[in-house]
Amino acid sequence: DAGVIQSPRHEVTEMGQEVTLRCKPISGHDYLFWYRQTMMRGLELLIYFNNNVPIDDSGMPEDRFSAKMPNASFSTLKIQPSEPRDSAVYFCASSSSRLAGEAGEQFFGPGTRLTVL
Amino acid sequence: GNSVTQMEGPVTLSEEAFLTINCTYTATGYPSLFWYVQYPGEGLQLLLKATKADDKGSNKGFEATYRKETTSFHLEKGSVQVSDSAVYFCALSATYGNNRLAFGKGNQVVVIP
Repeated sequence: DAGVIQSPRHEVTEMGQEVTLRCKPISGHDYLFWYRQTMMRGLELLIYFNNNVPIDDSGMPEDRFSAKMPNASFSTLKIQPSEPRDSAVYFCASSSSRLAGEAGEQFFGPGTRLTVL
Repeated sequence: GNSVTQMEGPVTLSEEAFLTINCTYTATGYPSLFWYVQYPGEGLQLLLKATKADDKGSNKGFEATYRKETTSFHLEKGSVQVSDSAVYFCALSATYGNNRLAFGKGNQVVVIP
């Protein structure tokens, strides 16, 4: 398996622009998580899905952030409009509730480094 | 609720030194416990795990034992290398439900040649 795939790996944009981050989870995984990592705030859970349905979005910082999972193999995190304080590394992770040997383990993608100027 | 506490601050040590990173947890039920490692410029990857009390997880020379009586899961390595320089996160997964992980704040480990 290729693991969790994220694109783009790096994104540089200007304040006010729309940004879309993409994630392809590991095939067969039924949970998908979006995280944000900054030096100041560390690793924060933004939202997670189970079977493509959003379960908890309480970590989404503002209405400017939205996430979708239209099918089991694709999710997006969108920021509109973007602001400099959104600059961070955004990680996607997936996991399976059905594989006993994985016991809740999450598999992380390589991340998208977002810079908003 | 479930939470994980890691010792404060970065850890700097010389090559071949002994490494310990403390992790304690608060949880209901019988969580699974994990250590994740993040190398510079990369995502988090699982280092080791333990799913029940007294289990010892081990990988790449690192070890951690699930201690229910002290609610701890301390990470140890007997002789670190420069390549072990990374950020280490302790995490727990609740017994039931949502596969959500509670992460500690992480510890930066710097190994000096």
